[in-house]
Order: sequence, then structure tokens, then C-alpha cells
Amino acid sequence: IAGITQAPTSQILAAGRRMTLRCTQDMRHNAMYWYRQDLGLGLRLIHYSNTAGTTGKGEVPDGYSVSRANTDDFPLTLASAVPSQTSVYFCASSDGQGNTGELFFGEGSRLTVL
Amino acid sequence: GQNIDQPTEMTATEGAIVQINCTYQTSGFNGLFWYQQHAGEAPTFLSYNVLDGLEEKGRFSSFLSRSKGYSYLLLKELQMKDSASYLCAVMDSNYQLIWGAGTKLIIKP
Repeated sequence: IAGITQAPTSQILAAGRRMTLRCTQDMRHNAMYWYRQDLGLGLRLIHYSNTAGTTGKGEVPDGYSVSRANTDDFPLTLASAVPSQTSVYFCASSDGQGNTGELFFGEGSRLTVL
Repeated sequence: GQNIDQPTEMTATEGAIVQINCTYQTSGFNGLFWYQQHAGEAPTFLSYNVLDGLEEKGRFSSFLSRSKGYSYLLLKELQMKDSASYLCAVMDSNYQLIWGAGTKLIIKP
């Protein structure tokens, strides 16, 4: 089934630990995104990639890094997790064609940092 | 700054009609989107408006007035499965999406 797969779906992490959230899509979309979603706030963009080999910073990039070695994969790394990074993380992709901008989302990764 | 406003929560009755409003102030405008998000699930695309007017898609319609910075999502013949959060998002001049906090819609029998 075509779509976006995120892993893990849920994780509890001690503060200071390193964590990588994985994201893989099989739709051959050029653009990929990482968002965080917190109660009472809109989705906030962490990092994005318009095409393989390029990445950019979103609204809340501090404490996070990404890589885009190929079209399909877009992992998000927390180098040293802090409690404020407790959130639900969504990976998304779009085909980047034109400006319709429809995003396809993964099912989310719920991260708790203690 | 850029801002998207929508009501936090609304309640409606099964079979009725509900209108969810969204007002925005952004740096430029390249389209407005509505997404549906059921609790614990991923957002899914509902509609896209870039020109003024009404776009109808089955039981759902979306309206845009660019001069007023205003949109609404109209849901007709409400069903229990329509209980979800509805997210309004605007694409700004840099083609970045600015998201509202979402409107939680509760449908009562």
C-alpha cells in the first residue's frame, strides 16, 4: 500500500538521549516535511526537503537535524532530547508539482521525553 | 506576524449543517487548505481554495474571500464519523504552510 511509514509509533525517552525518528515514503514525492503537533497549537514545521540532497529549516528547527540521502527516506534526529520536545511528530510528503500543496501524512510518532 | 484563527471547539447535531470559520493574516497568499484529523490519526486533505468563491465536494464545501482574509468549511448532513478536528492552513508567499490550531467538532446524536 503506497504511503508514508513512520517509526516508532510511540517512544518514551530519557532526557539527554539521542533519538532518530524514521520516515519512508513510496510515492516518489520530491518534497518531505517534519512537523510537530502540540495541544492548542497548529502544526509547526521543523525541517523540510524540497528534493533529495537538500534540506531547509522550518519554524522550530533548534534541537533537530535531518538528512535526505535519497528520495524515499527523511529521518529526523534529536541529538540530545529535552522534555520540551515531548510531542507528536508527523512526517509528510508532497509531489512538489505546482502549488496545490496537498500533503500526505504519516501516522505520527508520539515521543515523550522524561 | 502571521496568524490563522479558527474556533477551538464546536458542537453540532447529527444530520444538521455546521460552518467552521477561519480568518488569516499572512505574508502573501498562495492558497488555503482544509484538512480533517480524527483523534490519534494523521491529518487528511479535504479541500484547496486559491480563488474567491465556493468549492463543493460532496457533503463538504469550502469558501474563500481573499479580500477579507476569510474562509469557511461547510459540512452538510452531519454524520457521527465527522467528529474530528478540522485544520485550516494558508500557503504564504514563500510557499510555506501556516497552520491554525484546529477546530474540534463534536457531533451529538
